[in-house]
Amino acid sequence: DIQMTQSPSSLSASVGDRVTITCRASQIISSYLNWYQQKPGKAPKLLIYAASTLQSGVPSRFSGSGSGADFTLTISSLQPEDFATYYCQQSYTEWTFGQGTKVEIK
Amino acid sequence: EVQLVESGGGLVQPGGSLRLSCAASGFTFSSYWMSWVRQAPGKGPEWLANIKQDGSEKYYMDYVKGRFTISRDNAKNSLYLQMNSLSAEDTAIYYCAKTTPAGIYYYFDLWGRGTLVTVSS
Repeated sequence: DIQMTQSPSSLSASVGDRVTITCRASQIISSYLNWYQQKPGKAPKLLIYAASTLQSGVPSRFSGSGSGADFTLTISSLQPEDFATYYCQQSYTEWTFGQGTKVEIK
Repeated sequence: EVQLVESGGGLVQPGGSLRLSCAASGFTFSSYWMSWVRQAPGKGPEWLANIKQDGSEKYYMDYVKGRFTISRDNAKNSLYLQMNSLSAEDTAIYYCAKTTPAGIYYYFDLWGRGTLVTVSS
């Protein structure tokens, strides 16, 4: 199985901060990488697919980059509604998710 | 409205069985792969299985192979998950998810609200 490792596991940030979350795959997965946002009691919501393509309707402050085994999700200016848990997910084979990164208010 | 609505969850004893359903509306269900994803309390999501548009191909996570069966009825716009030999480790919220391609890349772009399965004596 391909293991997905996110860092950090949690972070504290203020509104307006630039936030970066990384995701590393245990093997090369090209650009088969998606990012989701999840708020308490809700289902995950797709933000980014194919490593860097913004899903329709998602604010442009979210961006994704990377290829191969190392990927990054960046929020350029954190907004109050962005406090949530973020997951990466590989769709290369037997799709797996990272353990999550919780973004909390500082 | 475009939505997925899961049902069929509940409390089941270890070793028992449960059948989950997912009703789709607002999109052409028969045109999409569909998946089941679960999330145990305090954990990240875990993909379980997916099924091709016509049901001719099915894929499973190793841990549930032989215990869980995914199926669909396109005439009823419905997805199913038959779960057998359940254990406490299967306790989770179970989501169905529309599985959409962008070229060779797939992603889950529509999720239901989930149905809770609790395995306990």
